[in-house]
Amino acid sequence: EAQVTQNPRYLITVTGKKLTVTCSQNMNHEYMSWYRQDPGLGLRQIYYSMNVEVTDKGDVPEGYKVSRKEKRNFPLILESPSPNQTSLYFCASMGLSGGSLETQYFGPGTRLLVL
Amino acid sequence: AQSVTQLGSHVSVSEGALVLLRCNYSSSVPPYLFWYVQYPNQGLQLLLKYTTGATLVKGINGFEAEFKKSETSFHLTKPSAHMSDAAEYFCAVSDSGGSNYKLTFGKGTLLTVNP
Repeated sequence: EAQVTQNPRYLITVTGKKLTVTCSQNMNHEYMSWYRQDPGLGLRQIYYSMNVEVTDKGDVPEGYKVSRKEKRNFPLILESPSPNQTSLYFCASMGLSGGSLETQYFGPGTRLLVL
Repeated sequence: AQSVTQLGSHVSVSEGALVLLRCNYSSSVPPYLFWYVQYPNQGLQLLLKYTTGATLVKGINGFEAEFKKSETSFHLTKPSAHMSDAAEYFCAVSDSGGSNYKLTFGKGTLLTVNP
């Protein structure tokens, strides 16, 4: 089954304690992206990656890091989480075959609470 | 910069009534347009998308949307609401010519279906 998986699904942590949210896709997609969803704001892009070792900032990258060492994985790293990073996070992936825009597939989300 | 406006953060309809969720966008280039649905505690699922060609797009679960360039709109409709349609709906736009396939989302419309 084609899917994007995220772990953990729920996480409660404290300010300053480094954490990683993993994202993996089994569709051999080149493009991957992270979004955060906040009430009344919709979804905003944090980082994206066009392929292995190619990453770039989205609209709200402050306080986050990413890496893309393998095509299937795109972890989101919070080096020193703060309460304003409490949010619902979504990973997405998309194939880029032929240069055409295809559907972005979203993971189930990771709900993060930073105390 | 692209933007999406969804008119009405909360829409309530009776079962069997017409569903109309409004979306207006701004984009400096021909847009790709999407509607996603989010059921409680789940990720985003693509309902339908417009890239090129026919401006009336049919999606899953009986939904459809019409791209109207002159009105910069992409409203979502369904002739007869079902209880199972209760969810949050997001309109999104993507730059068809950009290097980042970022989706710019509206703030969402919560659809309530009353028996």
